[in-house]
Amino acid sequence: DQQVKQNSPSLSVQEGRISILNCDYTNSMFDYFLWYKKYPAEGPTFLISISSIKDKNEDGRFTVFLNKSAKHLSLHIVPSQPGDSAVYFCAASRSPNAGGTSYGKLTFGQGTILTVHP
Amino acid sequence: EPEVTQTPSHQVTQMGQEVILRCVPISNHLYFYWYRQILGQKVEFLVSFYNNEISEKSEIFDDQFSVERPDGSNFTLKIRSTKLEDSAMYFCASSLTSGRIMDTQYFGPGTRLTVL
Repeated sequence: DQQVKQNSPSLSVQEGRISILNCDYTNSMFDYFLWYKKYPAEGPTFLISISSIKDKNEDGRFTVFLNKSAKHLSLHIVPSQPGDSAVYFCAASRSPNAGGTSYGKLTFGQGTILTVHP
Repeated sequence: EPEVTQTPSHQVTQMGQEVILRCVPISNHLYFYWYRQILGQKVEFLVSFYNNEISEKSEIFDDQFSVERPDGSNFTLKIRSTKLEDSAMYFCASSLTSGRIMDTQYFGPGTRLTVL
């Protein structure tokens, strides 16, 4: 299932700089997108989401950008901190009013390992 | 802050045995989910559950799997006869709403299932 792809398996950034994590999707019926952070031996922790009616959503240091025509979303973390080091997953969903029968099923990307160096 | 809890954190079982993984979703949430992540692979959807019935299931969720909400708080995943390839981290998630209004799914810490 390659409907959601994170093509960069890892990203290394200096503390204080911007981290940009990218995600591409192929299913044009997806209308809700989320980013989760995951530490080893823990479950995914919700970070930020965006609906397809928007192209940007901001929450503190985290901003998600959605480019529907390119089927691309990105997560910006500014400034990056060592505590941000984790695996970041993007996930996509299709609501029933988008023509599907989905009841919230999330389709995940493979994840990107972010390492923020002090 | 309310959170999803899962027990046990690690379950080791012999092939062919039945296992039950337990989850306590966030108390006012209405939609419940199971996902799994095989080592080195993506997090995969297994099943969603609402109003005491399955809303959607993936092709992974075959007759060996079942889910139940036996009381007002627990949500369980049963694997009737485990196979080696069932070894994975199993995550429970819950959300307040779903359907027409998308809502955030909150995940538990996971149960690591090891089938020997």
